[in-house]
Amino acid sequence: DAKTTQPNSMESNEEEPVHLPCNHSTISGTDYIHWYRQLPSQGPEYVIHGLTSNVNNRMASLAIAEDRKSSTLILHRATLRDAAVYYCILKTQGGSEKLVFGKGTKLTVNP
Amino acid sequence: GAGVSQSPSNKVTEKGKDVELRCDPISGHTALYWYRQSLGQGLEFLIYFQGNSAPDKSGLPSDRFSAERTGGSVSTLTIQRTQQEDSAVYLCASSAFPLQVADTQYFGPGTRLTVL
Repeated sequence: DAKTTQPNSMESNEEEPVHLPCNHSTISGTDYIHWYRQLPSQGPEYVIHGLTSNVNNRMASLAIAEDRKSSTLILHRATLRDAAVYYCILKTQGGSEKLVFGKGTKLTVNP
Repeated sequence: GAGVSQSPSNKVTEKGKDVELRCDPISGHTALYWYRQSLGQGLEFLIYFQGNSAPDKSGLPSDRFSAERTGGSVSTLTIQRTQQEDSAVYLCASSAFPLQVADTQYFGPGTRLTVL
């Protein structure tokens, strides 16, 4: 599976937008970009995924660069409950079903 | 509906003892995964069950680790002769469409294992 690179940590203020970057320069044409997050003392939870086009759901938006070598998870208004470790994961069509987690980005939200 | 449940939530054991960790996946999910999360190693895959297929055991760290899934539902992860380095949070996940690249995995709360 292609690798992803994320900043170790980021900080945000409550009710401000947060942009969490992910680099995946070796992404292949059949790789989907998935984001999961892990709240303190909980298992990971799915956030969003995409292939080429930008995606929106009730939790977040995913902006994918035109060359697909990077993507950004956007939380439009951070809340204290959004404090978590965010993982950017690539999954290959026809590849392994398991998730390969990197170290992720620890997001701190300040009140 | 009910999510993935795991038991016990915490387990403290002595080095050398065997432990069993249980996972109840979401009803109807054909795929079940075990991961573990330790301070030094992050989240790592252990084993994957899909329907009646042979499990993918490629992530099991040693032959002290084994898992079974009975009746396509409940799974038990067994660690024999536990070592201190086995201390970690063991996470179970399930999914409905594992062969689809857009498939979502749903995780349980984990079992925190401490080996003294």
